[in-house]
Amino acid sequence: QKEVEQDPGPLSVPEGAIVSLNCTYSNSAFQYFMWYRQYSRKGPELLMYTYSSGNKEDGRFTAQVDKSSKYISLFIRDSQPSDSATYLCAMSGESDYKLSFGAGTTVTVRA
Amino acid sequence: EAEVAQSPRYKITEKSQAVAFWCDPISGHATLYWYRQILGQGPELLVQFQDESVVDDSQLPKDRFSAERLKGVDSTLKIQPAELGDSAMYLCASSLYLAKGEQYFGPGTRLTVT
Repeated sequence: QKEVEQDPGPLSVPEGAIVSLNCTYSNSAFQYFMWYRQYSRKGPELLMYTYSSGNKEDGRFTAQVDKSSKYISLFIRDSQPSDSATYLCAMSGESDYKLSFGAGTTVTVRA
Repeated sequence: EAEVAQSPRYKITEKSQAVAFWCDPISGHATLYWYRQILGQGPELLVQFQDESVVDDSQLPKDRFSAERLKGVDSTLKIQPAELGDSAMYLCASSLYLAKGEQYFGPGTRLTVT
């Protein structure tokens, strides 16, 4: 079983819809949680960065962390065709610097 | 905006040949990482540097891969000899501090071994 599980999709939504992405994990030592966006043939771009449990909002993006359930989510409101990409979740521990990544979810926003 | 630079962006090589990738991290970032990303998967850490020192190379196939960061700034990852299974995207990332989680990635080098 992988340390971080992420549904690879693909996920296709109409423009303006809410995109909901999630990851589950097994390592209770994880404290830092990140979401990266990766366009085709490009490097991952850091979107959201949260520490421990709770919510964080940045524009159209909201990240949620539920450590009790070992579950993290990313919501994209008012989705745009430019949001079409692969979204990777990643996490690391307080003293363990390694990032453990999910496999990524491919999202297509249809105009 | 400061970015991680990598070159080349694309590389095609024949198996058994040597290949090298270069990375220049964001200025002031002490920690540098090399990842390998196979198509359809998340990146996996190969090696991590803190300044010029290797912090973790436990996942680096040392029989054919080597990495260095001689002056604690830019870094080179080498594969010799390349094998068909090495075809992947090689990503470099950097961060200000060790164990802070916030890593910034370069555009990657896509390697194809024929």
